[in-house]
Amino acid sequence: DIQMTQSPSSVSASVGDRITITCRASQGISNWLAWYQQKPGKAPKVLIYAASSLQSGVPSRFSGSGSGTDFTLTISSLQPEDFATYYCQHSNSFPLTFGGGTKVEIK
Amino acid sequence: EVQLVQSGAEVKKPGESLKISCQGSGYSFSNYWIGWVRQLPGKGLEWMGLIYPGDSDTRDNPSFQGQVTMSVDKSISTAYLQWSSLEASDTAMYYCARYHCSSTSCYPRNFDYWGQGTQVTVSS
Repeated sequence: DIQMTQSPSSVSASVGDRITITCRASQGISNWLAWYQQKPGKAPKVLIYAASSLQSGVPSRFSGSGSGTDFTLTISSLQPEDFATYYCQHSNSFPLTFGGGTKVEIK
Repeated sequence: EVQLVQSGAEVKKPGESLKISCQGSGYSFSNYWIGWVRQLPGKGLEWMGLIYPGDSDTRDNPSFQGQVTMSVDKSISTAYLQWSSLEASDTAMYYCARYHCSSTSCYPRNFDYWGQGTQVTVSS
């Protein structure tokens, strides 16, 4: 099974900050990676697919990069509505796996 | 508009059976895989499996094999997840989600639409 390791597990930041979340796969997954945002009590929502493609309707302050084993999600200027938990997920092979999550909190 | 609507919250006792549902609308239900994702209280997301409504083909996560059964009734655009004997450890939120892999193109293989979730509580 491919393990997905996210770091950090939590980050405290202020509105306007730039933050980067990292996701590392235990083996190469090409660009078969998606990023999701989950707010408390809500279903996850896809932000980025194929490692770097922005899902329709998602603000351009979100961006993704990487290929192979190392990936990043960047929020260029944190907004109040961005405080949430973020997950990466690979779809290179079965079983699909999610990273452990990164909680973005208000400083 | 693509929508996945899940059945309501359930409270069950250990040993009881349960079947929860996920009804799709706004797209060709038969042509896209449906996935199930578990979220234990305060924890992360775990992929349980996929089912293809067109022919009921499944892809199971070995971690969940034998614990749950996925099924589908394409005539009413509904996918199901069922347990024959619940345990307290099954207490969780369960989400269904459309997996963007269709009969004509398996790209980009992400969960692009999600149901609202079904809370399952198992307690004596």
